Amino acid sequence: DAGITQSPRHKVTETGTPVTLRCHQTENHRYMYWYRQDPGHGLRLIHYSYGVKDTDKGEVSDGYSVSRSKTEDFLLTLESATSSQTSVYFCAISEVRREDTQYFGPGTRLTVL
Amino acid sequence: AQTVTQSQPEMSVQEAETVTLSCTYDTSESDYYLFWYKQPPSRQMILVIRQEAYKQQNATENRFSVNFQKAAKSFSLKISDSQLGDAAMYFCAYRSSGGSQGNLIFGKGTKLSVKP
Repeated sequence: DAGITQSPRHKVTETGTPVTLRCHQTENHRYMYWYRQDPGHGLRLIHYSYGVKDTDKGEVSDGYSVSRSKTEDFLLTLESATSSQTSVYFCAISEVRREDTQYFGPGTRLTVL
Repeated sequence: AQTVTQSQPEMSVQEAETVTLSCTYDTSESDYYLFWYKQPPSRQMILVIRQEAYKQQNATENRFSVNFQKAAKSFSLKISDSQLGDAAMYFCAYRSSGGSQGNLIFGKGTKLSVKP
């Protein structure tokens, strides 16, 4: 299994509060991704990173920001959480030699009340 | 824009039997990658198999194999000798070979049940 951890694994928060999810990898892979998984939608890309301090938006980026100050960490921030952001969030990584192939972390279940 | 369609929301198979999960996709590109991911109740997304579109040969990984029909834009997954541990959601995914590195597009999934 790829060395990817996500924290926290579960979180319940209130509408309007900021939330930060962390993805940590021990594989030294260049590319990192954040997805959300909702019933009936499969997985959808939020943001991705192609290197330290290099990030770009995905399909559903509104309301989210990311940061990557170190190769191993990719943070996803919900600046003001809304109930529509209740979801399961997955981090993924891929390496330069085979950057098409992504390996996923265990996921974080976020509930916004 | 590319799309991935899994037309079978649920499938069932008897233990030790063979089952085929369907996936079709829409793209105007000639070079791309296709994947099947498995998501068991633990929620972990596990890569099952990968196919490069420019390769004619169908990918295989132990009991898992694909039937890749490029002209028909079809990418089905065959699971042979089904085991109880194969019960999971299966997602088909597409990725362009160029452009955005993040552009992995998923279908909505097929839930596979395995009967003992």
